[in-house]
Amino acid sequence: SYVLTQPPSVSVAPGKTARISCGGNNIGSKSVHWYQQRPGQAPVLVISYDNDRPSGIPERFSGSNSGNTATLTISRVEAEDEAGYYCQVWDSLSDHGVFGGGTKLTVL
Amino acid sequence: QVQLVQSGAEVKKSGSSVKVACKASGGTFNSYVISWVRQAPGQGLEWMGGIIPLFGTTNYAQKFQGRVTITADESTFTSYMQLDSLRSEDTAVYYCARRSVSPRTQPFDYWGQGTLVTVSS
Repeated sequence: SYVLTQPPSVSVAPGKTARISCGGNNIGSKSVHWYQQRPGQAPVLVISYDNDRPSGIPERFSGSNSGNTATLTISRVEAEDEAGYYCQVWDSLSDHGVFGGGTKLTVL
Repeated sequence: QVQLVQSGAEVKKSGSSVKVACKASGGTFNSYVISWVRQAPGQGLEWMGGIIPLFGTTNYAQKFQGRVTITADESTFTSYMQLDSLRSEDTAVYYCARRSVSPRTQPFDYWGQGTLVTVSS
């Protein structure tokens, strides 16, 4: 089955840029979605199809996807961005949804 | 606006079954896939499977095959997830989430609030 690998944690100071990676075999050929999950809340879609922002998501959120790595970039990080972030793809081979293990973003 | 509202928390004994409901409003129920995703305490998200209410077709993760049943009642816009032979490792928050039917690569754009299922011996 297809595996997505994320770093368990990323730390960043307020106002700086956070980058969260999501590794997978030839992930650049897949559509990657990113979800933000604050403690005790349901996930929220923040980036779809590699780099599309749903309505209401700040422009500070962007994404990229190439080769074996997709990346979620959060510019000018704010305290409210502190949360868990998950990447997700659809594995056409197994016809299953796949999530990365998640990355906890800490704002210092 | 689209809302997915789930049933309340459950406490179950090992070996029993649980059935969680997810009621949709504000959108066209039949045009979407209702998927189920769970999250064990302190752990990540895990896709369990989904159903296309329009056709009644289901798709389950191999890990849960034979133990999970996902159904949908078009008349009430409600999907159900039943998990059998519960064990302590099934203690988790269970979410329903919506995505468009096609293409399968669509994201999960709306989520339920989650239902905590606690399994005790």
